Amino acid sequence: GQSLEQPSEVTAVEGAIVQINCTYQTSGFYGLSWYQQHDGGAPTFLSYNALDGLEETGRFSSFLSRSDSYGYLLLQELQMKDSASYFCAASPGGFNKFYFGSGTKLNVKP
Amino acid sequence: EPEVTQTPSHQVTQMGQEVILRCVPISNHLYFYWYRQILGQKVEFLVSFYNNEISEKSEIFDDQFSVERPDGSNFTLKIRSTKLEDSAMYFCASSAHLRGQGISGVSYEQYFGPGTRLTVT
Repeated sequence: GQSLEQPSEVTAVEGAIVQINCTYQTSGFYGLSWYQQHDGGAPTFLSYNALDGLEETGRFSSFLSRSDSYGYLLLQELQMKDSASYFCAASPGGFNKFYFGSGTKLNVKP
Repeated sequence: EPEVTQTPSHQVTQMGQEVILRCVPISNHLYFYWYRQILGQKVEFLVSFYNNEISEKSEIFDDQFSVERPDGSNFTLKIRSTKLEDSAMYFCASSAHLRGQGISGVSYEQYFGPGTRLTVT
């Protein structure tokens, strides 16, 4: 089967750095995406890794290790507005199917 | 900025009734998707649609579900005979992936609509 494991909840303070891990097991693997979802809102795209290594986009970075079937999302200089759920999503074979992880609820405290 | 739109925002229906959820993807996008999310749970893939046909579907997408692109702009999800467990938020998404293109220059970003909350009573 397909599975993507994430921690269910993470708490951090404003200004801190937090890492959200994702381990995946899929039959075939194209790449790993990350999405942010605020309560009652739609998922919004944050980043995508097809190759091993770190991708940086402003305060957010994402890492992938294909050999370890592992990736993470790194959020720096946390702000209150970063409080949301974060989902990793894997594509087992191209662009026509995506599996989402169970999501990590990030609580940012002042 | 272009966006995916969905109607209605909330649909209440009785068990056994048919519902049609509507989506207008971003106009130059090529792949269209339907997902559902039961309250507090993960986003689940239902179906993808490319070049006017289903590209891939999940185990959830059984015979009670169907999708259609009736014209050049709308993308619909029909649930033929709703069940209580169909109550969820349904998201439409679109992306500009191009089939056959290599990794460089391909956009993997999916743009999600605001969702339709379906309540089956």
